[in-house]
Amino acid sequence: AQKVTQAQTEISVVEKEDVTLDCVYETRDTTYYLFWYKQPPSGELVFLIRRNSFDEQNEISGRYSWNFQKSTSSFNFTITASQVVDSAVYFCALSEEGYGGATNKLIFGTGTLLAVQP
Amino acid sequence: SAVISQKPSRDICQRGTSLTIQCQVDSQVTMMFWYRQQPGQSLTLIATANQGSEATYESGFVIDKFPISRPNLTFSTLTVSNMSPEDSSIYLCSVRTTGNTGELFFGEGSRLTVL
Repeated sequence: AQKVTQAQTEISVVEKEDVTLDCVYETRDTTYYLFWYKQPPSGELVFLIRRNSFDEQNEISGRYSWNFQKSTSSFNFTITASQVVDSAVYFCALSEEGYGGATNKLIFGTGTLLAVQP
Repeated sequence: SAVISQKPSRDICQRGTSLTIQCQVDSQVTMMFWYRQQPGQSLTLIATANQGSEATYESGFVIDKFPISRPNLTFSTLTVSNMSPEDSSIYLCSVRTTGNTGELFFGEGSRLTVL
C-alpha cells in the first residue's frame, strides 16, 4: 500500500533560518511521482514540485530545494533563508503512474505546519 | 497550468440538507478529482470524476452520500447529501492537465460548515 509520512507536525523558525521538511514514502510501484504542495492560511493548494521516480537529481528553485533519495525513500524539502511569507502547511504527496505515464490520484501526508517568526 | 473555479467558496448549511459544489476549469482536462480536507487534517480523495460515466469512489465514500457529475471535460459537480456536522470540511476539486506533464492543480476549495 502507498503511504506518505511527514513526521514533523509543526516547525517554528525565526526569519532567515534554513528549515528542512521531511517526507518519507512507501510504495510497491517502480514508477511513481512525488509532489510538494503549499497551503497558506487562505486555504488554496499551491503546486511546488513534481518529481518522477527515475529522476533522483536534486532540484533548486530560488530559496527552495528538494533532496530525493530512493535509497531511503525520502523526498525532503529545504527552504533557505526563510521568510514570514513561507508560513503555511506543506504537504508531501505520492502518486501512482497512470495511463500514458501521467499521474493520477494523490496520497497525501499529514502535512507540516511551518511558522516563520519575524 | 489550469485555472480552476469552485463555487461556492464557503457556505453554512443546516443538518439534513444537501449542497452541490461546482468545479469549472478554463481548459479541457483529462482527469478531475474531488478531495476532502477535514479541519486540521490532510487531504483525502473522495472520487475520480469520469466524463460521461459514473465516478470511481475511494474506500469509505459512496455515491449516495457524494453523488458526482461530469457532463464534459471542463466541469464537474460534487453533492454532499444529507449533511451532518461531520461533513464540515473543505472540499477541493483537482485536475490533471492533458499531456504527460502530469501536474495536478487544485481549486481554492469550498469550505462547508454544517450546523
